[in-house]
Formats: sequence, structure tokens, C-alpha cells
Amino acid sequence: DTGVSQNPRHKITKRGQNVTFRCDPISEHNRLYWYRQTLGQGPEFLTYFQNEAQLEKSRLLSDRFSAERPKGSFSTLEIQRTEQGDSAMYLCASSRFSDTQYFGPGTRLTVL
Amino acid sequence: GENVEQHPSTLSVQEGDSAVIKCTYSDSASNYFPWYKQELGKGPQLIIDIRSNVGEKKDQRIAVTLNKTAKHFSLHITETQPEDSAVYFCAALYTGNQFYFGTGTSLTVIP
Repeated sequence: DTGVSQNPRHKITKRGQNVTFRCDPISEHNRLYWYRQTLGQGPEFLTYFQNEAQLEKSRLLSDRFSAERPKGSFSTLEIQRTEQGDSAMYLCASSRFSDTQYFGPGTRLTVL
Repeated sequence: GENVEQHPSTLSVQEGDSAVIKCTYSDSASNYFPWYKQELGKGPQLIIDIRSNVGEKKDQRIAVTLNKTAKHFSLHITETQPEDSAVYFCAALYTGNQFYFGTGTSLTVIP
């Protein structure tokens, strides 16, 4: 069990650029979640996949954000036309059927 | 609204003392409550969880209690050690399979 992995670990970009993050869940975990975490706050739910189907999206999720999980394994989160307010830690978590989620190390995004 | 309140936001204890962190939730349908420990620069790590069909669960020095009537749950750490210093988050699974997290408690264990 290698755990949830995320790449890159850090990303610095200029405002207006597009960025893409990748998450590899624990093998055989059918559920995958994306969260955003800002300093001093708990993780905030963004979206959730069961296999390749995106089942839930936070109403706070801007249309500049899109997530995919094409083969039900890894997932990507893309942010288009980044804004300074997008600076945060983006966390991925996975679970297998049950509610128990295991988090990855996160990708820290800084938008200049 | 959908939220999870967590208190205190900071907590300092002497090594060997106990630490207690409390959370309240608003969705009476919630039935799963995990606790996570997050160290600087790392993702949250699950340390213990509880489901609504039990009132208490213990794992060595860590225990969680749940009061469904009052809609609150607590994390108890006994015999604290310096390596317990971290930020702790509670969470509740709400309707729609969405987790809501508390705002975190920064625990410092003083040697």
C-alpha cells in the first residue's frame, strides 16, 4: 500500500495561467475526493468521484475548476485563468467503499 | 447551515497531561465522524473515527466519544507526548456524502 500520491507538491504560477494537478489514489480505492485548504482552515470539499463518475461538486466550485478521472484510477484537477485567491493547498483523498478517507500530501499552489 | 464547530483553536498542555478537543455538528443525519492529525507541510492523517452506532471508541492513548443527542463529539489524548504536537481536525459526513471539517486545533505539548 503506497498511499495517496499527488504531483506536483508545489506549483508557482502567474495570475491568468492554467494549472493542472494529478492525484493517484490508493490502489483499488473506488472513491476519490478533492479538497482545498487555506491557512488556518480545515479542508474544504470541492468534488468527489466514484470510479470515473463525478458524483458531487461543491456549489462553491468555480467554473474555472474542472476535474476528471477518465479511467477510474488517477484524477486531475485543472484550474483555468488562475487568480490570487486560488492560492491554497489542494488535497486529494481516496476511500474504498467505506467512509474512511486517506489523504495525500497535497499540492501547494501559489498564484503571483 | 452545514458546518462543524471545533474548540479550542489552540491548546497547550504539559507532557503527560491529557488533551481534549470538542466538535459540534448540525446535520442530524450524520453518522460518521473521523479525526485527523496534520503536521506542517503534510496532508491530514486519520487517527481515529467513530460511527453513530457507538458512543465511544479507544485506540491506545486516543479515544473519541460521541453524543448524538447533543450532536457533539470529542477527541481525548491521554499521556501526551511532544510528538502529539500538531493540528487536529474533526470532520462529519453530511448528507450527499460530503465531509465538513472543523477549523482545527493547534496542540502544543510542552516537554
